[in-house]
Amino acid sequence: QSVLTQPPSASGTPGQRVTISCSGSSSNIGSNFVYWYQQLPGTAPKLLIYRNNQRPSGVPDRFSGSKSGTSASLAISGLRSEDEADYYCSAWDDSLSGLVVFGGGTKLTVL
Amino acid sequence: EVQLVESGGGLVQPGGSLKLSCAASGFTLSGAAMHWVRQASGRGLEWVGRIRSKANNYATSYAASVKGRFTISRDDSKNTAYLQMNALETEDTAVYYCTRLSPGYGNSFDYWGQGSLVTVSS
Repeated sequence: QSVLTQPPSASGTPGQRVTISCSGSSSNIGSNFVYWYQQLPGTAPKLLIYRNNQRPSGVPDRFSGSKSGTSASLAISGLRSEDEADYYCSAWDDSLSGLVVFGGGTKLTVL
Repeated sequence: EVQLVESGGGLVQPGGSLKLSCAASGFTLSGAAMHWVRQASGRGLEWVGRIRSKANNYATSYAASVKGRFTISRDDSKNTAYLQMNALETEDTAVYYCTRLSPGYGNSFDYWGQGSLVTVSS
């Protein structure tokens, strides 16, 4: 069972906007930045969003992140077929559970 | 180009040991903190542990699930990080990724290896 809670699945049609939620606690999301990773089938994770809402170089501005209190969300606008992947939220944790915690992942299907 | 390449995975019996390597290229490992993350088949990501740089005394931290059984080390002269796994359990079966703590994108993991499969089974 993951420390951060994500919905197991999400879906949308091409061109739509979808959001993926991530819920944590005061020891992780509530007091630290949130990160999002994209994992395409059969590949290693890729950094998508850092420090709640910042995009690394090369990540399209269709991807955006936000955080409020102990929750965060990832939004993908103008959905494309190549966005079909697993998405993981992550945060550093101040408790004894470990330095870094992840969500269980959300499988995004583009219909 | 930054690259991380893991090696050393394989099949091991419960109670056995295995050592993974993570060879870095395209950057100087000595200045970076390196982390290990694992993923069981069809499951999510799980943080395993990390080793900081020489400037931070090579400090290590581990997830509760592996503490006392796993050890992370590094050889900066070889640009390589290691994950020594002892007393392996069937629950340790997973793909193990090494990843770099980003020097430019906050405390995120900006580069990941391709993963090394560890199977613990009798």
